[in-house]
Amino acid sequence: GAVVSQHPSRVICKSGTSVKIECRSLDFQATTMFWYRQFPKQSLMLMATSNEGSKATYEQGVEKDKFLINHASLTLSTLTVTSAHPEDSSFYICSARDLRVAGVGETQYFGPGTRLLVL
Amino acid sequence: SQKIEQNSEALNIQEGKTATLTCNYTNYSPAYLQWYRQDPGRGPVFLLLIRENEKEKRKERLKVTFDTTLKQSLFHITASQPADSATYLCALLYNQGGKLIFGQGTELSVKP
Repeated sequence: GAVVSQHPSRVICKSGTSVKIECRSLDFQATTMFWYRQFPKQSLMLMATSNEGSKATYEQGVEKDKFLINHASLTLSTLTVTSAHPEDSSFYICSARDLRVAGVGETQYFGPGTRLLVL
Repeated sequence: SQKIEQNSEALNIQEGKTATLTCNYTNYSPAYLQWYRQDPGRGPVFLLLIRENEKEKRKERLKVTFDTTLKQSLFHITASQPADSATYLCALLYNQGGKLIFGQGTELSVKP
């Protein structure tokens, strides 16, 4: 099956610093990747849709200048949390659509997540 | 706006019984609905997809139904095992771009 990896799996940083999270599709190409955030005991909330070669589409209420997304290749998207603050501490998860499945890319494959703790 | 609700309470069942989880949605007619499993500290894992023109779909011990009139999907795990203990999420396709909207999840605990 399709595999999506994330790096790092856990990161602790000081308030005010920036953190970059990588999301890679390992055995398939993904023109579209998605970034989610999940707080404890809550569901996944979509932050943005990352499109290869173009600007990301952000959900309402998500600051695009704070959460920078770059989708430089068909297998890599990055999320940079700029000037992180304690309220940005959360579980960040990416997903990618495998367009080989049913020709429509209905199935999304999720990465293992990145736990961010901002002190 | 679209709203998805799953069993808010955790579900505790005995091993060997059938677990039934509910997903209700409003203000929307999705082309398909998906179910995922999520273990603590991990990303969701895709389980099943059911389309709007399908009433039921099965995969091994899993069964999903989709009632577009009731705007409800039921997810069943038969002959449940302690290893089935996890949080189960339903998700609706929001648009053709692949955007998914997730329910809050139901935590299932299967006791031996």
